[in-house]
Amino acid sequence: QKEVEQNSGPLSVPEGAIASLNCTYSDRGSQSFFWYRQYSGKSPELIMSIYSNGDKEDGRFTAQLNKASQYVSLLIRDSQPSDSATYLCAGVKAAGNKLTFGGGTRVLVKP
Amino acid sequence: DTAVSQTPKYLVTQMGNDKSIKCEQNLGHDTMYWYKQDSKKFLKIMFSYNNKELIINETVPNRFSPKSPDKAHLNLHINSLELGDSAVYFCASSQDWAVDGYTFGSGTRLTVV
Repeated sequence: QKEVEQNSGPLSVPEGAIASLNCTYSDRGSQSFFWYRQYSGKSPELIMSIYSNGDKEDGRFTAQLNKASQYVSLLIRDSQPSDSATYLCAGVKAAGNKLTFGGGTRVLVKP
Repeated sequence: DTAVSQTPKYLVTQMGNDKSIKCEQNLGHDTMYWYKQDSKKFLKIMFSYNNKELIINETVPNRFSPKSPDKAHLNLHINSLELGDSAVYFCASSQDWAVDGYTFGSGTRLTVV
């Protein structure tokens, strides 16, 4: 079992709809979580971080964390074609610096 | 510009050669990393240095040797390159404990032929 798991996709979403991405993790010691966006041929770019249970909103993005169920999710509202990318979920332990990444979910937003 | 910069961006080389990738960050971070991203987009940590000290050394062939001359620089030297080494190598940096995640460099696409 991988430490951080994501559905590889592709997740096909009509323009203007909500894209919902999920991530589960196996290590209960993981405390902080991050969502990175990676365009093809580019480097990962941090879009959201979440540290405590509940929701965190930033613009069109909402991250959700449920430590009891060991899952993290990312919602992208009003999806745009420019949101088409691979989204990587990552977790890190408290007082740690090793980010463990999932395999990424490819999102395709169709006009 | 504040950033993590790595060179070269592309590297095509023959099996058996030795090559190096260089990374520099001007963000004032104390910790730097090397990650390998395979063809399936899976990012896996290789090494991490904190203020010139090696703190993470994952199961990586000893043909790979990192060097950190100072906390702003982290280089990766690869000996006797093999076909399976073909991948994208990313350098990254963070504050201690990665509380704000990483900032990644632009990556080096290594192709071994």
